[in-house]
This record gives sequence, C-alpha cells and structure tokens, in this order.
Amino acid sequence: DAGVIQSPRHEVTEMGQEVTLRCKPISGHNSLFWYRQTMMRGLELLIYFNNNVPIDDSGMPEDRFSAKMPNASFSTLKIQPSEPRDSAVYFCASRMTMKEFFGPGTRLTVL
Amino acid sequence: QQQVKQSPQSLIVQKGGISIINCAYENTAFDYFPWYQQFPGKGPALLIAIRPDVSEKKEGRFTISFNKSAKQFSLHIMDSQPGDSATYFCAASRGSTLGRLYFGRGTQLTVWP
Repeated sequence: DAGVIQSPRHEVTEMGQEVTLRCKPISGHNSLFWYRQTMMRGLELLIYFNNNVPIDDSGMPEDRFSAKMPNASFSTLKIQPSEPRDSAVYFCASRMTMKEFFGPGTRLTVL
Repeated sequence: QQQVKQSPQSLIVQKGGISIINCAYENTAFDYFPWYQQFPGKGPALLIAIRPDVSEKKEGRFTISFNKSAKQFSLHIMDSQPGDSATYFCAASRGSTLGRLYFGRGTQLTVWP
C-alpha cells in the first residue's frame, strides 16, 4: 500500500488566494483526520470524518477553512482567503482500527 | 485546554543512555495511549501503544510504563542511538474506533554520538 497520499507537498501562495490541499487515505480506512502543525501550537486536530461524514470540526480555526470528503478515497481542505498566519504543515491521517497513519504533509507558506 | 500534558519539551541524551519522556492526562475515560515518532520532514508514525489493563509494554528498546492511579504514562528508550533523534508525541483517546486522539505538545529528542 502506498500509504496516505497528500498533494501538493509544498505550496507557496500570496495572502488572499485560495488554497486547496488534497488527501487520499489508505484504502479501507474509514476515518480521516486533518491536522495542522506549527512550532507555537504543536499538532492540532482541525476536523475528522468517519465514513465520509464530518464528526468534529471544532478545531477549524475560522470560516475561512472548510473540508470535504465526497467519497471514501478523497478529501480536501480549503482555505479561502489565505492569510500569513495559516502558514504551517498540514497533515492528513487515516485510520481503520486504532492505528492512525499520517501522510507526509503539505508545507504551506502564505506570503 | 491541553488534554494531555507532555514533558520535557526537549531532551538531550548521550548515545547508550536512557531517554525518558513523561505524559499526564486528566480524563479517566481515556483507555488507549499511543506514542508517535516524527522525523524532520515526515509525518508522525505510530511507535508503540498501551491499554490501561497492563502497566508496561515493551517493544525492542522502547517501553511504555503506565500508572493508572496517577494518570501518567511514560516512554523509555533504552540504549538510545543517534537514529532515535526525533520528536516524540504521546497521545490518548477513549479507545473507540470512532474517536479522536488528543496529542501532547511533543518532545524533541537529540541523541549525541
């Protein structure tokens, strides 16, 4: 198995632009998680889905952030409009039992 | 509010020494306690995990010690090696396959050769 796949791996954009991060979970996994990692705040859970349904989005910082999971093999995290404080590494993770597998992350830089 | 508190924030150990990282939690409903290891530029990866029905779990040089009454658990790395240099996260959850993990802030471990 290829593991959790994220794209792009790096994204540099200007303030005010829309950013879309993509994730393909491991086949057969029924839970998907979006995390954000920064030096200041550590690893923060933004939102997670069970069986494609959003369960807890209390970690989404603002209405500028949205996430979708249209099917079991794809999810997106969108930031519109982006701001410099959104600069971070964004991880997607998937899980079937209790073992959570992380993707390689997307390093987002907002100028 | 941090559900899982982790210390120290950073740790420097000499090669061959023992690395110890500690975590504490408040929610007595937690019943699954994993540790994740993260190398620079990579995502966290599951290292070892424990359930509260045992007080210790060992896998190779890595051991989790669990103290249910104190609501604390720790990771011990025996014979620490430079290749162990990474950031370590403890976490906790209610154990349901539908629940989420609550992560500690992480410990950056450096093992000097």
